[in-house]
This record gives sequence, structure tokens and C-alpha cells, in this order.
Amino acid sequence: KAGVTQTPRYLIKTRGQQVTLSCSPISGHRSVSWYQQTPGQGLQFLFEYFSETQRNKGNFPGRFSGRQFSNSRSEMNVSTLELGDSALYLCASSQTGDGRVQPETQYFGPGTRLLVL
Amino acid sequence: GENVEQHPSTLSVQEGDSAVIKCTYSDSASNYFPWYKQELGKRPQLIIDIRSNVGEKKDQRIAVTLNKTAKHFSLHITETQPEDSAVYFCAAGRLYNQGGKLIFGQGTELSVKP
Repeated sequence: KAGVTQTPRYLIKTRGQQVTLSCSPISGHRSVSWYQQTPGQGLQFLFEYFSETQRNKGNFPGRFSGRQFSNSRSEMNVSTLELGDSALYLCASSQTGDGRVQPETQYFGPGTRLLVL
Repeated sequence: GENVEQHPSTLSVQEGDSAVIKCTYSDSASNYFPWYKQELGKRPQLIIDIRSNVGEKKDQRIAVTLNKTAKHFSLHITETQPEDSAVYFCAAGRLYNQGGKLIFGQGTELSVKP
């Protein structure tokens, strides 16, 4: 099976702009989680989608949003970009994300590296 | 709030020695504890995980132990090799009612010297 893919891999934006990142999960996986990785804060949970619904949300401002499509592909959007949004954005997919099936591994994509100038 | 503390932040060992990384979690409802390895410039990859109904799990040179009472879990790597050098992250999650959400520790940079 193909792994989790993310596009684009690199992105440069300026403050105030908005950005949309895309994540395609492993075929058959229905749960997609998003994480922000920075040197100072490590890996922080943004949100998780399952069956086109946001099931869990982390402690990020409303500028961070996402959605999931019927084919389980997911997008996340960041509006009004700030310098502090520069980070590696990782998505991860799992079969259901809630332990109903085993294993319940989250498989990560390669990430999108966002630089805000 | 939910928090996972991980120690040490850096660890240097000689090839063949053992390495131990420890994590403490705050959410007593956590029941799933994976460990990820991230090599430089690459994505995190799962190396082992454990559920709360199990106290210990081994996979070749890697083992994880869980103490639910103390809310801490540890990763043990024996007979370390240079290719074990990477950043290791522990995480805690709640399966069944908060699926898909993992709280990560800050990471441990392991360096194995030949």
C-alpha cells in the first residue's frame, strides 16, 4: 500500500496570507490527525477527522481549521499567518483512530514545511 | 491539562550499551502509549506501542514498560547500534473515546557512538 502523502512539501508565505495543506491517508484509513512540529514545542496535536467530522481538537486558535472529504483525504487551512506558524506540519492516518481495530498505529506523512516571512 | 513529560532530552551511549528513556503522563484516562523514532529530515515512525492492559512488551532489542499507578512508561533499547541514533518521542492517547489524538513528549535525542 502507498504511504501517507502530503502536498506541498515546502511552502513559503508572508504574514497575513493564508495557506492550505493537503494530506492523503493510506488506502482504507478513515482517521486523519494533524500535528505541528517545532523545535521549541515538539509535536503538538491540532485536530483529528473521522468520516468527514472533526472528532478531536487541540489547543490552537481558530485560525487553524481543517476538513475531510468523503475519500478520507484531509486539508488543513491556516488563515492570517503569523511568524510563529513556521513549522513542519505532519498528518497521520490510522484505520479508525479509536481502537476498534488493531493495530491502531498512526502512520505519519513526510510533512509540509511552512516558512512564514 | 493533558501533558507528557519526557526525560532525558539528550542521551549519549556507547555502541552495545543500553539506553532508557522515561515518560510521565498526566491524563489518568490514557490507555495507549506509542513510541516513535524520527531520523533527521524524516517522518516519525512507530517502533513499539503498549496498551494499558499490558505491563510490558518486547520486540527484539526494544522493550516498553508501563506503570499505570505511577503514570509513567519507559523505553529500553539494548545492545544499541549507531543506526539507533535518532530522536525518540513517547506519546499518550485515549483509545475508544478520544481516538486519533496523541499527546507527545518533547523528545529525546539519542546518540550512539561507535
